[in-house]
Amino acid sequence: DTGVSQDPRHKITKRGQNVTFRCDPISEHNRLYWYRQTLGQGPEFLTYFQNEAQLEKSRLLSDRFSAERPKGSFSTLEIQRTEQGDSAMYLCASSLDSKETQYFGPGTRLLVL
Amino acid sequence: AQRVTQPEKLLSVFKGAPVELKCNYSYSGSPELFWYVQYSRQRLQLLLRHISRESIKGFTADLNKGETSFHLKKPFAQEEDSAMYYCALRGGGADGLTFGKGTHLIIQP
Repeated sequence: DTGVSQDPRHKITKRGQNVTFRCDPISEHNRLYWYRQTLGQGPEFLTYFQNEAQLEKSRLLSDRFSAERPKGSFSTLEIQRTEQGDSAMYLCASSLDSKETQYFGPGTRLLVL
Repeated sequence: AQRVTQPEKLLSVFKGAPVELKCNYSYSGSPELFWYVQYSRQRLQLLLRHISRESIKGFTADLNKGETSFHLKKPFAQEEDSAMYYCALRGGGADGLTFGKGTHLIIQP
């Protein structure tokens, strides 16, 4: 385990389809974060987990977005009924606890046609 | 609301010249400030954080609460410093980071 991993690295989908992304954090990291980054912008915080508990949901962009971390290890981010505006890089990060450094994954690049 | 402003989208300097990447923030409490760097084709990684007060790769940054700034500085730029630099803030209870839009630093030979 050399870092945060994300799968897939790229996803192309048609408008209206559902997509799911996976994030595997660094082992032993309790905190897991999801961000979205659009062209020319910095990452935008979406949600985060402390173990399996989702502690912040209000920043999720719409009710089409949902995230889970069922066993406190890997996490999934699902977007239902995708729209062209959802095209972006989706980043995952993990940290040992709330005050420690967040380590980022390589991201999943989503293109909605 | 918290906000991070990086006024320069692009900064180009010559090798050996001093570098200063500007970052201003808006936050009502006591924030934690960070600089993240993304080299070409690599993932975002932490460069430094204000609470550690250390120098990484020759870069330093001082938190100025009066001016609400956290500018990143290096006295002598090197070509390998070319990258995207993001200033970020953590405050409040959400623990998520608020990022600026980033500055693309290009070091010319």
